[in-house]
Amino acid sequence: AQKITQTQPGMFVQEKEAVTLDCTYDTSDQSYGLFWYKQPSSGEMIFLIYQGSYDEQNATEGRYSLNFQKARKSANLVISASQLGDSAMYFCAMRELSYNQGGKLIFGQGTELSVKP
Amino acid sequence: DVKVTQSSRYLVKRTGEKVFLECVQDMDHENMFWYRQDPGLGLRLIYFSYDVKMKEKGDIPEGYSVSREKKERFSLILESASTNQTSMYLCASRGGGSWNIQYFGAGTRLSVL
Repeated sequence: AQKITQTQPGMFVQEKEAVTLDCTYDTSDQSYGLFWYKQPSSGEMIFLIYQGSYDEQNATEGRYSLNFQKARKSANLVISASQLGDSAMYFCAMRELSYNQGGKLIFGQGTELSVKP
Repeated sequence: DVKVTQSSRYLVKRTGEKVFLECVQDMDHENMFWYRQDPGLGLRLIYFSYDVKMKEKGDIPEGYSVSREKKERFSLILESASTNQTSMYLCASRGGGSWNIQYFGAGTRLSVL
């Protein structure tokens, strides 16, 4: 069965430092997509970054990059130069192309990131 | 800008009431989704729709129904609200194409008393 595991329930980082949020996944499919979302205390899920299973380059979006290691089935999110506004829950999610539920995302349990001034 | 709008941020209802949660997207997306989010259980798919009047059950459809009469609007209905349906409800939409991004609304925090 498809599964996403985030092993860090909570993390602290000093402002302006980089931080890595871990995500491992389990799937038997060859074609899949990996996503990271941010959820501030207000509740909205904000899309951050996407990586396709066939993409050879690691995805980057501004201060966000995705460290994709396919053989290890890991898709860690790296946030560079942390800002106070980065304090939020972060969710890793996966979608399988062949999955029959129209694009259902499978989410991990989330990591709560706190940025210290 | 991408916009998924949920009609209420907070809602308080009584047990047994019929509850409607509304979601509207302005991106002409084919696919729309309803999830619920609970501490320790993460996000779970309730229902999704891939076209007008089309719907498919997700992982936890019991106690819920949905309606999609127009492409931009997807409604979640609690036929007879119960206390175990107290939760955060998130609507999302996604365009066609294999890897299009799923965009979420701000969520509705529902309390059933």
